[in-house]
This record gives sequence, C-alpha cells and structure tokens, in this order.
Amino acid sequence: DAGVIQSPRHEVTEMGQEVTLRCKPISGHDYLFWYRQTMMRGLELLIYFNNNVPIDDSGMPEDRFSAKMPNASFSTLKIQPSEPRDSAVYFCASSSTARNYGYTFGSGTRLTVV
Amino acid sequence: AQSVAQPEDQVNVAEGNPLTVKCTYSVSGNPYLFWYVQYPNRGLQFLLKYITGDNLVKGSYGFEAEFNKSQTSFHLKKPSALVSDSALYFCAVRDDTDKLIFGTGTRLQVFP
Repeated sequence: DAGVIQSPRHEVTEMGQEVTLRCKPISGHDYLFWYRQTMMRGLELLIYFNNNVPIDDSGMPEDRFSAKMPNASFSTLKIQPSEPRDSAVYFCASSSTARNYGYTFGSGTRLTVV
Repeated sequence: AQSVAQPEDQVNVAEGNPLTVKCTYSVSGNPYLFWYVQYPNRGLQFLLKYITGDNLVKGSYGFEAEFNKSQTSFHLKKPSALVSDSALYFCAVRDDTDKLIFGTGTRLQVFP
C-alpha cells in the first residue's frame, strides 16, 4: 500500500496564476479530505468527499477554491487565481468507514504564491 | 458540537523523563478520540485511538493515552521521552458526520 499520494510536493507560482493540487487516496477508502495548514490558522478542513460526492465544502475560503473528485482514485484542489495569502501546506487524507475511523494523510503540497 | 482543546502550545521535557500532552474534549454522546503526530515536512500520522473499552489505550512508538470520562480528558503520555519524539501532536474527535475535528496542536520538544 503506497499510502495517500499527493503531487506536487512543492509548488511556487506567481500571484494570479492557476494552481492545481492532486491527490490519490488509498484504494478502498470512501472518504477523502482536503486540509490546509498554516502557522497562523493551524489545520483547517477545506472540503471532504464521501464516495466521490462533496459532502461539506463550508471550509473552502473563497470561490477561488474548487475541488473535484471525478473517480474513487483521484481528486484535485484548484485555486484560480492564486494569491500570496494562499501560501500554505495542503494535505489530502483518506479514510474508510469500515475500519478504524482514523485518517491516513499524504505528505502534503507546500504552496508558495509570490 | 464536538470539539477538542489542547491547552499547551508547547511542552518541553528532558530525555528519559515522562511526558504528558494534554487534551480535553466536548462531545454529545460517546466520544471517539484520536492522537496524531506530525514530524517536520510530513503529514499527520495516526498514533492511537479510543473508541470503547479500557481507559488506557496503547499506541505506536510507546505512546499511550488515558481516557477520563469525568474530566473529559484524553491526555497523551509516554513513560520515557526520546529526542526523536520531538514533533507536533494533534488530538482529534470524530463528529456526528464522521469527520475528525482536530485541536490546535502541541509542539513537544525533548531536550537531550
């Protein structure tokens, strides 16, 4: 089991550019979560999916943020246009209701918007 | 609404000494509680959980946590700290919609 795979590991982009973060959850997991981590705000839940359907996107900060899960093995988080205040580490996590209710996190994408 | 609180931003302990990282919770109903650890430049890793059963839960890397219903606490403990235990520790509770609510994190610093 390769775990939750996120790409890229690091992304540096200019303000105004579109950024797409990618996540491959663990096979068989039916929940997928996107988190953002900053020093100031800690760990924030942005959105989560159950069986590829978005359940709660109340944590998405603005309309500039969007997330999709076209199938059980892939999800994207897109920021368009990006701003310097979006700089953070973005984590994807997956979980299975049939197991221990814990999450498995990816290694994260460190986004820097200059 | 379910929530957890980690009252300490940082805990400092000497290597070989016991450590405690505090967590209190607020839930309606039976709590499902978790501890995660985050090493630098890594994602969060599961340490242990309490769902039901014994109040003392044992987890990875020699950590354990004690569930105390009367004090609504779930403190993380280790009898003898290692320098390699230095990391960021998160307490979490599962809410009614099956998602985890994380605390603000406690940075553990173990000095040689």
